[in-house]
Amino acid sequence: KAGVTQTPRYLIKTRGQQVTLSCSPISGHRSVSWYQQTPGQGLQFLFEYFSETQRNKGNFPGRFSGRQFSNSRSEMNVSTLELGDSALYLCASSLSWLAGLYNEQFFGPGTRLTVL
Amino acid sequence: AQKVTQAQTEISVVEKEDVTLDCVYETRDTTYYLFWYKQPPSGELVFLIRRNSFDEQNEISGRYSWNFQKSTSSFNFTITASQVVDSAVYFCALTCHTGNQFYFGTGTSLTVIP
Repeated sequence: KAGVTQTPRYLIKTRGQQVTLSCSPISGHRSVSWYQQTPGQGLQFLFEYFSETQRNKGNFPGRFSGRQFSNSRSEMNVSTLELGDSALYLCASSLSWLAGLYNEQFFGPGTRLTVL
Repeated sequence: AQKVTQAQTEISVVEKEDVTLDCVYETRDTTYYLFWYKQPPSGELVFLIRRNSFDEQNEISGRYSWNFQKSTSSFNFTITASQVVDSAVYFCALTCHTGNQFYFGTGTSLTVIP
């Protein structure tokens, strides 16, 4: 059974640009959550999608957005990149929503974003 | 407000030693869930355990054991007879009963020296 896949694995962008990250959940999983991991702030919850709808959202500015497709694949977009957006972005999939509460979350390897 | 504190930033132990990773949490909810995750160098977080606030029984799984104490708001993790493969960053996390957001600690980096 394939795990959670994230593409690309590494990305370098410059300030002001925008970026789109992709996450393919485990087959059959309908919930996808996104997290930002930085040395200073640690792991922070961005948002959770279930059945193409954003169910929960963390405390991030509107520059961070996402969407989920009918096949449960999810994309995360960051517009007007800032230096502070450099981080490891992790995606996690779960069978249903309220990921982690009722179902185990399975994490992908992450996308390392560097903003210059 | 929800908060998870892992005061130990880095720990180094020699192989076969026991090691305890501390986790202290804050929440006003009476129903909540605590987790431990392992993040090896590859980057993927691996789920280790989930514990709800009504279950204070300690749990043992092989060389791993967890001590949940509501009186001290702690959920500590002990690795017995550590091995080099245990080297990783370990995260403690909390979510309340609505499950709408996860709160992670800053992680403890464990290095097991052969």
